[in-house]
Amino acid sequence: GAGVSQSPSNKVTEKGKDVELRCDPISGHTALYWYRQRLGQGLEFLIYFQGNSAPDKSGLPSDRFSAERTGESVSTLTIQRTQQEDSAVYLCASSFPPGPPYNEQFFGPGTRLTVL
Amino acid sequence: TQLLEQSPQFLSIQEGENLTVYCNSSSVFSSLQWYRQEPGEGPVLLVTVVTGGEVKKLKRLTFQFGDARKDSSLHITAAQPGDTGLYLCAGLNAGNNRKLIWGLGTSLAVNP
Repeated sequence: GAGVSQSPSNKVTEKGKDVELRCDPISGHTALYWYRQRLGQGLEFLIYFQGNSAPDKSGLPSDRFSAERTGESVSTLTIQRTQQEDSAVYLCASSFPPGPPYNEQFFGPGTRLTVL
Repeated sequence: TQLLEQSPQFLSIQEGENLTVYCNSSSVFSSLQWYRQEPGEGPVLLVTVVTGGEVKKLKRLTFQFGDARKDSSLHITAAQPGDTGLYLCAGLNAGNNRKLIWGLGTSLAVNP
């Protein structure tokens, strides 16, 4: 496909379970971002991957959150021991190699996570 | 901590009215982007402004970047129900070109 894809589109889980969210970026995009968006709010940065560089994990809210990326392709965001406050839409975005002044990001449709 | 403040947070207007959304910061950005997000979807880029004082038009939408590159505005003329959505601004810091700084968004509802 031409766009960023994410799966699953919806995930309902019980408190304490682990979840894994997947993102397939646009082919050729070396940068990949994960964001969290709570209902009616803006985007909260979680983590950033750029090529083979060490990821920028500065936005991860706790050590229950982790993410991996295989080369310049698929990324997975894992949330361990989910809590109710983790309920949100998790968005993935990809972009061309960043270079000022542009860093235009292309977003997937998101995964809506509900923790019961 | 860099912040982008958007105003108003919520806006509900009638079809045909004009509106302006503001995005303000005390920081200088090398560029600023506007995105629109519809329910159940990810944000979609509308425009990127780069030069201080720049004005870009996209049909009924007019985007302006402040002269000092600290603020931006989005003006919609003759709003239509299809304009309904969450409008987000995001700035790229000249010193850190990896991460965008995001505003919290303006939720716009255009009623028929």
